[in-house]
Amino acid sequence: NAGVTQTPKFQVLKTGQSMTLQCAQDMNHEYMSWYRQDPGMGLRLIHYSVGAGITDQGEVPNGYNVSRSTTEDFPLRLLSAAPSQTSVYFCASTETWGKRETQYFGPGTRLLVL
Amino acid sequence: KNEVEQSPQNLTAQEGEFITINCSYSVGISALHWLQQHPGGGIVSLFMLSSGKKKHGRLIATINIQEKHSSLHITASHPRDSAVYICAVAQYGNKLVFGAGTILRVKS
Repeated sequence: NAGVTQTPKFQVLKTGQSMTLQCAQDMNHEYMSWYRQDPGMGLRLIHYSVGAGITDQGEVPNGYNVSRSTTEDFPLRLLSAAPSQTSVYFCASTETWGKRETQYFGPGTRLLVL
Repeated sequence: KNEVEQSPQNLTAQEGEFITINCSYSVGISALHWLQQHPGGGIVSLFMLSSGKKKHGRLIATINIQEKHSSLHITASHPRDSAVYICAVAQYGNKLVFGAGTILRVKS
């Protein structure tokens, strides 16, 4: 299994540009989520999905869109990039096994918005 | 006040020392997770706890639901344990709220 993969690893955008951060998992997990990580702060939930066709907002959803057309893929779209969106973005999927949960994180995407 | 507080923020230890990282939370939870973020940025799951204690190798995690507190202990610490340790709580469903992390450096 490749686990959770994210592309690109690094990206520089100009203010106002749009882009899509890709996330895929090959573990057949229903629950997937996107987080951003900023210095001195904990990971914050942007959007999440409990299965194909179902998405919902997290703590900091403004400026981001998601879709979940398949179980495997969960792309995050920045509609019009702003410097405040400079961050490290992590995609994760969750394995649920009875009452046990294990989080699997992608390697992250470092985004700089100028 | 953050819902999840970790202490200390930074910790430097000598190789072989016993290390404790604390996590306090202010909300009702269904489970608590401990995660490790490597210097290269990758994040791995260490433990999920809903009660009691769990042990994996040199790592031990405990939780006291009544006191809303959890601790992560590392016995016989090693430089390869240097990382950021993150506490996260699940309030309902799979949604997690994260602490800011504890930066651990173990010197040889």
